[in-house]
Amino acid sequence: DPKIIQKPKYLVAVTGSEKILICEQYLGHNAMYWYRQSAKKPLEFMFSYSYQKLMDNQTASSRFQPQSSKKNHLDLQITALKPDDSATYFCASSQEGAGAETLYFGSGTRLTVL
Amino acid sequence: GDQVEQSPSALSLHEGTGSALRCNFTTTMRAVQWFRKNSRGSLINLFYLASGTKENGRLKSAFDSKERYSTLHIRDAQLEDSGTYFCAAEAGNMGYKLTFGTGTSLLVDP
Repeated sequence: DPKIIQKPKYLVAVTGSEKILICEQYLGHNAMYWYRQSAKKPLEFMFSYSYQKLMDNQTASSRFQPQSSKKNHLDLQITALKPDDSATYFCASSQEGAGAETLYFGSGTRLTVL
Repeated sequence: GDQVEQSPSALSLHEGTGSALRCNFTTTMRAVQWFRKNSRGSLINLFYLASGTKENGRLKSAFDSKERYSTLHIRDAQLEDSGTYFCAAEAGNMGYKLTFGTGTSLLVDP
């Protein structure tokens, strides 16, 4: 059974719209993250949360807003979508977020912006 | 910024043979993780190393922080080993911020 659930698996959106990517983890972890993989590029770190607080943000655009309603949830809201936002977005988690920990990843949400 | 150079980008093996994947780092990394992307797109954890070597079945990984590289050896390859393998390195004290390699697409054929 997958321990990190991302929904939806595939998402198609029109330019200018807004979407929310869902992530829930059932590993009992206190830290959650978002990574992004654009076409032909490696996965890139976006955000980290620990105990539902933002720890680090490497995303230049404020159009990307993580939302943590519960300790085991970290959703990603993306507004004013652009075609360049097309990518696979991976959620991950680790025990504490302090480093020297194994990160566990979900299976990703593949977003296509037309 | 920190970079991870992964090679080869693609690899084809006959069942029962073996090979090695390698990641070189442009800076000193504290630890490395290896993943395999499965058919559902999930990143499956293979190894976490802060130093030395680890072995799990037909897979063995090594990490040398000083020499700035990590390797993943696959022996006696099986069809189900096919997939894309990634290394990801952890620099400094920001362990959550992994820098990923570009992946190795492995195809094992009969």
